[in-house]
Order: sequence, then C-alpha cells, then structure tokens
Amino acid sequence: EPEVTQTPSHQVTQMGQEVILRCVPISNHLYFYWYRQILGQKVEFLVSFYNNEISEKSEIFDDQFSVERPDGSNFTLKIRSTKLEDSAMYFCASNLFPYNEQFFGPGTRLTVL
Amino acid sequence: DQQVKQNSPSLSVQEGRISILNCDYTNSMFDYFLWYKKYPAEGPTFLISISSIKDKNEDGRFTVFLNKSAKHLSLHIVPSQPGDSAVYFCAARPEAGSYQLTFGKGTKLSVIP
Repeated sequence: EPEVTQTPSHQVTQMGQEVILRCVPISNHLYFYWYRQILGQKVEFLVSFYNNEISEKSEIFDDQFSVERPDGSNFTLKIRSTKLEDSAMYFCASNLFPYNEQFFGPGTRLTVL
Repeated sequence: DQQVKQNSPSLSVQEGRISILNCDYTNSMFDYFLWYKKYPAEGPTFLISISSIKDKNEDGRFTVFLNKSAKHLSLHIVPSQPGDSAVYFCAARPEAGSYQLTFGKGTKLSVIP
C-alpha cells in the first residue's frame, strides 16, 4: 500500500540554524500539507500546497518557513532560523483531491537546542 | 482557541465491549469530520469520516455519529480489540475553499484484554 514517507525521523539542531524536512508524498497525489504537533498539544495546520503554489497557510507559517517541491517526488519544509519553540513533531500529508481524507507520514521530530 | 474539543484525555475499555469516543466543535462552518488513529512514533492514520449531510457512517467495527444541532460527534468501536489501543483524534474541515484540518487534542484509548 502506498504511503507518505518523511526523512529524517529525528533532527537535532542548534537555535538559529536552518533545517530542511523532507517528505515524499504518495505518488499520484496532488495536494500536500505540513502540520506540526508540539509535545502535549494538538496537531496544527501549517501550510497546504498545490500546483507549485501555497494554497493556504496558518498564522504559524511566518516568514521563517518556506515550502518547495523541488522535483516530481519530494516536498520540503524549510525553517530558516530555528527557535527553541520550533521543537515539535512535523507531519507531512497528501491527498489526490483536497476534499478527500489526508494521508499522513510518520513525522520528523525536530529538536532545537 | 479550541474549535474542536475532545474532553476525555483517556478512556479504558474491556476487550469485546463498546468504546465511545466523543468530540465537540464550536465552528458552525465545519462540514466534514474525520477520525484518525495514532500509534506512538507513527503518523495519524485515517479511520473514518462523515459529511455534515449525514448523521451516521459505518465501516466495519467503526461507526461515526454526527449531531449537527449539538455540534457533537462520536466514534463507536464495537467490539473493541487490544489492537485498537491508540490515541484517537477528531478533526474537522470547513466548507469548500479551505482544506486544512483542525484537530482535537486526542483521546488515548486503552483496550484491556
């Protein structure tokens, strides 16, 4: 069964450093999402992406965040200058049609020291 | 701002019995609701969904009920199995035009053999 994959599973970085989180959505899916879950809190929407453009973004998704689909398979989330409060589990998701259920990857745990 | 609320952080049920997980929402613009299951170190896995035009949707052992007037939905699992032990998230999506999911905090279900 096709699945969303994410790398790395765990990323440790120093405050102020740039990180890139990578995702490979399900191959025929067209809509891509990033969510995050801070420890003990709920899963929060960050951004959605379709046709090489951001469709929606939340208040959390400020100028330090960016997304890109650099090729036909990868979908990346870049955090330019990490802060301590960026420490969270980051989930990538995808679907074929935006009104369908979203399929989530296993997540990347980001730890900012 | 808790637009989707799961007021029970945990629930314990005997194997073979019914598990009932509850979810309330405040945003009347939500018209599509989903339940996700999450095991530790994995991403959320889609379980079942319901559109606001229905009041019930069933898939095997899982049934979701929606009471629009009360802004309440519930997930019934019958019979409960030890493998159902996981965190269950309720999620909601507004009417067409926005496809971001708003999640509740989750309910940890423990099914006791």
